[in-house]
Amino acid sequence: KAGVTQTPRYLIKTRGQQVTLSCSPISGHRSVSWYQQTPGQGLQFLFEYFSETQRNKGNFPGRFSGRQFSNSRSEMNVSTLELGDSALYLCASSLRPGTGVTGELFFGEGSRLTVL
Amino acid sequence: DQQVKQNSPSLSVQEGRISILNCDYTNSMFDYFLWYKKYPAEGPTFLISISSIKDKNEDGRFTVFLNKSAKHLSLHIVPSQPGDSAVYFCAAGNTGNQFYFGTGTSLTVIP
Repeated sequence: KAGVTQTPRYLIKTRGQQVTLSCSPISGHRSVSWYQQTPGQGLQFLFEYFSETQRNKGNFPGRFSGRQFSNSRSEMNVSTLELGDSALYLCASSLRPGTGVTGELFFGEGSRLTVL
Repeated sequence: DQQVKQNSPSLSVQEGRISILNCDYTNSMFDYFLWYKKYPAEGPTFLISISSIKDKNEDGRFTVFLNKSAKHLSLHIVPSQPGDSAVYFCAAGNTGNQFYFGTGTSLTVIP
């Protein structure tokens, strides 16, 4: 079955712009999490959605937001982009919250955002 | 504040020998610890996990050890193979899917 699909894979934006990233989870998975990966910080948790509701949110400013649709697809949005937002944004899906602790958390290949 | 730390950015090991990757954490409330492996241009893939009630978990060539008193875990790969060359991330969390990841250790297995 298809894995986690993230679009776009690469994008370049300039400071002050906004960006929307999309994630389609594995079929049947209803939980979607987002992580930001940067060289100095590793992977940092952004937020998790389950059944269209945000369950957890990491320590990121309000410029970072997300949502989940009824088909479990998720989008994240970053407004007023800053240079420091350049990163790989990873989406991960699981059947439901909690299944990640046994390894049932599957990551997509990520969306590489460059802010100039 | 980094709650999970991997202090070795890189590690080189000869094929057939043991690879030991280390990870330290600060939050004693973590219930689960995981290791993920990441190849370039791919997302991380799950390798092995351990719950806080155990001190060892094995899966084939991979063994994870947990020392709760020292807040330290390690991943042993025996024997190491060239295909194991990748970046390894340790992660910690509780019952949800919010995990705290380290910054990764790049393992190179030399043939």
